[in-house]
Amino acid sequence: NAGVTQTPKFQVLKTGQSMTLQCAQDMNHNSMYWYRQDPGMGLRLIYYSASEGTTDKGEVPNGYNVSRLNKREFSLRLESAAPSQTSVYFCASLRGGPDTQYFGPGTRLTVL
Amino acid sequence: DQQVKQNSPSLSVQEGRISILNCDYTNSMFDYFLWYKKYPAEGPTFLISISSIKDKNEDGRFTVFLNKSAKHLSLHIVPSQPGDSAVYFCAANSGGSNYKLTFGKGTLLTVNP
Repeated sequence: NAGVTQTPKFQVLKTGQSMTLQCAQDMNHNSMYWYRQDPGMGLRLIYYSASEGTTDKGEVPNGYNVSRLNKREFSLRLESAAPSQTSVYFCASLRGGPDTQYFGPGTRLTVL
Repeated sequence: DQQVKQNSPSLSVQEGRISILNCDYTNSMFDYFLWYKKYPAEGPTFLISISSIKDKNEDGRFTVFLNKSAKHLSLHIVPSQPGDSAVYFCAANSGGSNYKLTFGKGTLLTVNP
């Protein structure tokens, strides 16, 4: 049981490049989330998927798109990366109800 | 507008003493609160939670207190250990069907041997 996995762990992009961050969970959870963490800013919600087939914007969605590929996988796409998107990205999943969100190990992204 | 506030960016305590981490919130719709611990280069890990219908929850060395009238919660760690040194995030859930969490900015706890 790996929990929540994220790939890649590290990535360096040039401004304007695109990339997709992958997230998968093996806990049969219904809901999945993407956060970014910036120094002194805590974690901020980018997008979430309450259930398979649905996605919604969070607090900071601009510049991102997501795909809930199936119940296990939730990807985050940067179509045209900007230096402001330099951050650590965390994926999380939730079984349902007011329960605990489980986090992946994060992807450290640098946009030059 | 910051709905969950952790006003102390850092806290330093001696091993064996009590650590008290504080969190204030402004949204009265929040009905479930969680504390996460985060080590460098790792994802946050769940520590303890409390529902708004309670005012205290304990789990071993960790206790969370909730004061709804003051919109304040605190995490007590007794006794503190060097391995507790980490960033602690307070988070709140506003209910509904999406269970989105709003996080504070975190408090860096350092426990000195």
